[in-house]
Amino acid sequence: GQSLEQPSEVTAVEGAIVQINCTYQTSGFYGLSWYQQHDGGAPTFLSYNALDGLEETGRFSSFLSRSDSYGYLLLQELQMKDSASYFCAVPTGGGSQGNLIFGKGTKLSVKP
Amino acid sequence: DADVTQTPRNRITKTGKRIMLECSQTKGHDRMYWYRQDPGLGLRLIYYSFDVKDINKGEISDGYSVSRQAQAKFSLSLESAIPNQTALYFCATSLAGTNTGELFFGEGSRLTVL
Repeated sequence: GQSLEQPSEVTAVEGAIVQINCTYQTSGFYGLSWYQQHDGGAPTFLSYNALDGLEETGRFSSFLSRSDSYGYLLLQELQMKDSASYFCAVPTGGGSQGNLIFGKGTKLSVKP
Repeated sequence: DADVTQTPRNRITKTGKRIMLECSQTKGHDRMYWYRQDPGLGLRLIYYSFDVKDINKGEISDGYSVSRQAQAKFSLSLESAIPNQTALYFCATSLAGTNTGELFFGEGSRLTVL
């Protein structure tokens, strides 16, 4: 089967840097996605890594190590609006990029 | 207007009732999905459809059925609702042939089964 593990909660202060880790077990690997979801809102796509290394998009970066079955989301210069849940996700079998399996999510609380 | 629209946004019903959640999209995407979200459990895939003639079960399809009426419409039905189907349901779409792991979600339908 396929599974993803990520911490359930993380707390950080405004302006700081926080890293949210994700380890995965998959029958085949086609990429690791990250999503953000504010309370009561829809998940929104943040990033995608198919190859090893760091992908940067503004204050957010995502890293992947396929040999370690591990990735992380790095949030820099934290702002209060970054308080949300963050999910890592991988495609299910066959490499289809759409039918994603999600981790249980990490709730990030940013304190003043 | 939202690209992926779900109706109703909120629904309270009783055990044993038939419920339909509807999803329509204006993104022109071939692929559509229904996910269920429960606190602490993340998003779990119920059904997905890669085109009008293609329907596939996801992780948790028992107790649910779907209909892909058109490229733009994908509905989820609970034939006989039960309390443990109380959850937040999301419809999502993606573009076939892309390789970005990106889904586009609707705003969600909150269902309460009493």
